[in-house]
Amino acid sequence: DTEVTQTPKHLVMGMTNKKSLKCEQHMGHRAMYWYKQKAKKPPELMFVYSYEKLSINESVPSRFSPECPNSSLLNLHLHALQPEDSALYLCASSPIKGGSGETQYFGPGTRLLVL
Amino acid sequence: AQSVTQPDIHITVSEGASLELRCNYSYGATPYLFWYVQSPGQGLQLLLKYFSGDTLVQGIKGFEAEFKRSQSSFNLRKPSVHWSDAAEYFCAVNTNAGKSTFGDGTTLTVKP
Repeated sequence: DTEVTQTPKHLVMGMTNKKSLKCEQHMGHRAMYWYKQKAKKPPELMFVYSYEKLSINESVPSRFSPECPNSSLLNLHLHALQPEDSALYLCASSPIKGGSGETQYFGPGTRLLVL
Repeated sequence: AQSVTQPDIHITVSEGASLELRCNYSYGATPYLFWYVQSPGQGLQLLLKYFSGDTLVQGIKGFEAEFKRSQSSFNLRKPSVHWSDAAEYFCAVNTNAGKSTFGDGTTLTVKP
């Protein structure tokens, strides 16, 4: 299995809702990433988990809360989002975080619309 | 700090024509360079990567890229473009911390 899966594919939520994005990989990778991508822009790194521990938080607002329950699963909990948070949220994984030459494997993304 | 510049926002080529997408990077140490392709509404797919060794790197789908340290460039090429190559292309550089910095991307349109 060489893919990263993300659910749901699409999500519409109001500013008072609480929702979660899910990412899963079964490649035995020990690093997992969340990126945010606005239309016509490159992905922007949000969080990195290494060995199930949060290792990088790129000054992301607290309305985004990541969670890594085990080495195969990565969640992103959303609460009180703003319309400007509407974007494609990409998950990625790599064998071991910290390796400069590591290839990241990306999931297809969750397209989020905040109303 | 590292940075990546893709000078061409949008490129249009005819099907069957050759393609070159430009990428310039700025990084103080040995760069680890990547090219990704993204179809609309999809995630990123790795085309090829350069770490060290041979400066001409072969990738998937008939793509290749050449690393030129003197020019701080890592340009992507394909001898004959297919209509299915129409997509967004991102060049990226990784740091020792494992963080990726992406260029702003180049949109490729393929004319029939």
